Order: sequence, then structure tokens, then C-alpha cells
Amino acid sequence: ETVLTQSPGTLSLSPGERATLSCRASQSVDGNYLTWYQHKPGQAPRLLIYVASSRATGIPDRFSGSGSGTDFTLTISRLEPEDFAVYYCQQYGNSPLTFGQGTRLEIK
Amino acid sequence: QVQLQESGPGLVKPSETLSLTCSVSGGSISNYYWSWIRQPPGKGLEWIGYIYYSGSTNYNSSLKSRVTISLDKSKNQFSLKLTSVTAADTAVYYCARPRLAGSHAYDTWGQGTMVTVSS
Repeated sequence: ETVLTQSPGTLSLSPGERATLSCRASQSVDGNYLTWYQHKPGQAPRLLIYVASSRATGIPDRFSGSGSGTDFTLTISRLEPEDFAVYYCQQYGNSPLTFGQGTRLEIK
Repeated sequence: QVQLQESGPGLVKPSETLSLTCSVSGGSISNYYWSWIRQPPGKGLEWIGYIYYSGSTNYNSSLKSRVTISLDKSKNQFSLKLTSVTAADTAVYYCARPRLAGSHAYDTWGQGTMVTVSS
């Protein structure tokens, strides 16, 4: 099983700042099939990025994904108040599909 | 636009079977992987398993002995059964569909249903 380790566990930043979230895989993710989700309390997760760097429909361009193999990054260029949430990475290049444990992005 | 809606009991007794249904509206259940994902209170997302339109399934190995996902094409629904539940199975359960046939990047989700395992 491919274990995804996200860091940091919690990130405290202010609106307008840049956020960098990391997702490291225990083995190379085939096809770079790595996705990022945003999850807010009481809501369903929202797909942000798929195949490591492609933005999903309707996602603002302040969200970007990068990386390949075992190291992936989600960057939010300038934080808006609505961006404070929990972010999960997920891989489906290797069976079984797995999620990271999440990074909580909180307002400083 | 495809919409998903979970339904089922919100309370299940320990050792019994949890049964949930996901109703698909606004589109066909064909040609996609249909997944169940859950989130225990205070924890992260956990993939439970998926079923393909053909009926083939794949389950999380940690749950495999207790999980069955099935498809009812005539009703445009798919279902989850989890046997011998314990308090550890208390969670919000989501059904989800990927953005493209053949993908597992999920862009369509149900609103989630809370299931509590308690006597």
C-alpha cells in the first residue's frame, strides 16, 4: 500500500500569505495520479487538483499543484479567508487508492 | 449535472450490518467507478471501496472481509454493506464519482451521512 504523508500537520498563516503543503508518497505514484482536495466542516470534499498539477473545473488559479514520483506540493499563492480548511492528498496510481492524513490550514 | 444522495439508518447497533444507498440523479451510472469514502469524527478521509459499472469491485484491505458494494443499474443506485460494525465504524459516509470514466479523482460527492454505531 502507498502511504501518503502530509506535512505540516497544521499550518498557521494570515490571509494574503502563500501556503505550501507537502505530500510525500512511500513509493512512486504511477502516472502521477495524485489529487488534492479541500475539506470544510459539514461539507463534502472539493476536488482542487488532479494528476498532480491540473486544476479542476472552477478552481481559482491561486491554487496550483506540482511534483512527480514521490514528492508533491499544493501551493496557494495568496490566501483568501475561504481557503482555511483541511487539505488532503490522494493517490490512485497504485492500488489500493489511499489518502494522506491531511493538513489543517488555520488562520494565524 | 450529476448529483449523489446517500440514504440509510443513522444509528446501527454493534455487531449489526450498516447499509447505505447512494442514489444517482442527473446522469447514468454507467462507465464510472463509484466509491464509498468515510471520515470518522476527528480523523481523516478513508477510502472504503469502489464498484465499476461492469460490477467489478475493489476494497480497502483493512475492511475487505466486512464490505460489499453493489450496483443496481435499474434504479441508478449503488450500495454499501458493512458487517459486524463496531464503534470504530462511526463516521460520516460519502459516496463519490470521479470527474472522468476511468479516473479516481472525485469531483462529485454526496453531502455525506452520519452513521453512529451504538447500542
